Amino acid sequence: EAQVTQNPRYLITVTGKKLTVTCSQNMNHEYMSWYRQDPGLGLRQIYYSMNVEVTDKGDVPEGYKVSRKEKRNFPLILESPSPNQTSLYFCASSLLAGRPEAFFGQGTRLTVV
Amino acid sequence: GENVEQHPSTLSVQEGDSAVIKCTYSDSASNYFPWYKQELGKRPQLIIDIRSNVGEKKDQRIAVTLNKTAKHFSLHITETQPEDSAVYFCAAEYGNKLVFGAGTILRVKS
Repeated sequence: EAQVTQNPRYLITVTGKKLTVTCSQNMNHEYMSWYRQDPGLGLRQIYYSMNVEVTDKGDVPEGYKVSRKEKRNFPLILESPSPNQTSLYFCASSLLAGRPEAFFGQGTRLTVV
Repeated sequence: GENVEQHPSTLSVQEGDSAVIKCTYSDSASNYFPWYKQELGKRPQLIIDIRSNVGEKKDQRIAVTLNKTAKHFSLHITETQPEDSAVYFCAAEYGNKLVFGAGTILRVKS
């Protein structure tokens, strides 16, 4: 079954404690990206990756890091989380940038206290 | 800059009526415009998309229209049903990125 898998689904952490949200896809997609979803703001892209070892900033990259060492994995790293990073995060993959269809992971609900 | 504006932010319709959601985009070079549906607590899923070489596309009760001159595109849902209640997002492709609108909460009242 084609899927994008994120872990964990829910996470509560404290300010400043480094965390990683993992994302893995089994569709051999070139393109992967991370979004955050906040009420009234829709989905905003954090980082994206066109292929292995190729990553670039999206619209809201501050406070986040990513890596793409393997085609299937695209982890999101928060080196020093802050309360304004409390959000719902989605990983997505597609053959090309957003097309023909972006497959989304289940989402990770992050709370930073 | 890259921007997608979506209206309305909330929409309530009676079951069986039609619903229309409109989006405008800023870059005339954009060529791909998908629509995603997100049910409560779930991930966004593609419901329909359109490319710039066509003006309209239909799939059963949903249709999308595109006006490249005016840089806007719309989602039309006919004969709405309670299961159509969800958040709908439009998006536009800008180079290597997909930029989303802020979303429309659609409520279908039975």
